[in-house]
Amino acid sequence: RKEVEQDPGPFNVPEGATVAFNCTYSNSASQSFFWYRQDCRKEPKLLMSVYSSGNEDGRFTAQLNRASQYISLLIRDSKLSDSATYLCVVNKLGGFQKLVFGTGTRLLVSP
Amino acid sequence: GAGVSQSPSNKVTEKGKDVELRCDPISGHTALYWYRQSLGQGLEFLIYFQGNSAPDKSGLPSDRFSAERTGGSVSTLTIQRTQQEDSAVYLCASSSGLAGGLAQFFGPGTRLTVL
Repeated sequence: RKEVEQDPGPFNVPEGATVAFNCTYSNSASQSFFWYRQDCRKEPKLLMSVYSSGNEDGRFTAQLNRASQYISLLIRDSKLSDSATYLCVVNKLGGFQKLVFGTGTRLLVSP
Repeated sequence: GAGVSQSPSNKVTEKGKDVELRCDPISGHTALYWYRQSLGQGLEFLIYFQGNSAPDKSGLPSDRFSAERTGGSVSTLTIQRTQQEDSAVYLCASSSGLAGGLAQFFGPGTRLTVL
């Protein structure tokens, strides 16, 4: 089983729609979770951290479900500029502070 | 402040040549990571530096790959005798290095093409 799994998509949604992605992780002891955004031919950029209590940043809401070992990202009122690949990221336990990056979920927002 | 910078932005080389890729992390960040990403693929971890500790080289694909970090700041990734399968975007990231796997911040990458 992969350490981090995501549906590759693409998710095709119209502008203004609400869309949600889930990501599952295999290590129940993981402590740090993030969503990154990666535009085509660009580097990944931190979108938001995911806290146990859930967190919201404008149109974006991230939630963590430890019991089921998944994190989610909800995007409300989608904009054309939200079109990108969204990477789920989980810390890798051990002596080093490594993060494991999912392969990403592609979102396409159309007019 | 300035983000992570990488140079060159693009590198085209011939098979068998050596290349050096440079990364300048965010000032004050003690952790530095190298990844590579092939077209349409996910990030592949290569190597990690944390302060003065021995680096974690567990992701280096072969002994043709090496990296060093001088003075706890700038890092150089060297690929010897390049092969066509080395073609990819090489990304460097840094983090503040505190416990718990804090968020990493990426440079724009070096796009390597081996002919």
